[in-house]
Amino acid sequence: DTEVTQTPKHLVMGMTNKKSLKCEQHMGHRAMYWYKQKAKKPPELMFVYSYEKLSINESVPSRFSPECPNSSLLNLHLHALQPEDSALYLCASSQPGQRPFTQYFGPGTRLTVL
Amino acid sequence: QQPVQSPQAVILREGEDAVINCSSSKALYSVHWYRQKHGEAPVFLMILLKGGEQKGHEKISASFNEKKQQSSLYLTASQLSYSGTYFCGTAREYGNKLVFGAGTILRVKS
Repeated sequence: DTEVTQTPKHLVMGMTNKKSLKCEQHMGHRAMYWYKQKAKKPPELMFVYSYEKLSINESVPSRFSPECPNSSLLNLHLHALQPEDSALYLCASSQPGQRPFTQYFGPGTRLTVL
Repeated sequence: QQPVQSPQAVILREGEDAVINCSSSKALYSVHWYRQKHGEAPVFLMILLKGGEQKGHEKISASFNEKKQQSSLYLTASQLSYSGTYFCGTAREYGNKLVFGAGTILRVKS
């Protein structure tokens, strides 16, 4: 089973709202990722968690706050977002230490900020 | 540093072949190929590691030329299902970080 699930599929929020994106995998992977993808652009890495610890933060604004409660769950908390934050947010997972660390992507959450 | 993909777009008829290239100005550890259809998640195709490996997956194969730091994705006898945007993701060292190229839009017509 190479499935990564994400909820919700679509999210519309105002600039003053607080919302969360959720990601789950049951492949036993110990690395999880958040990517942001704008239309007709490649995925851009935001955060990497390895063994439930934040290992990479690509200078993402603090209005995005990741959380990894356990090895199979990854959240992205959103607060005071801007319209330019509207995008497809992709979660991925892989197994660190296992060459060559294939990343498997979830279907994404399409976020619209009004 | 973002790898450079070429061409930006290609249109094929069913049964034709295509090559998509991915180049880096820096030494790479690995190249990862994905296909993404509109509104869907990127789907993993294959990984190439430094050492010049060539891998295959049905009628899709790829190579990695370590001297040129270039990977090529070969699609033979294309099918309608091959349509989508192909991304290469590159890693400069063993680890978790991938940087994706801008993508190549492939459209297969009947």
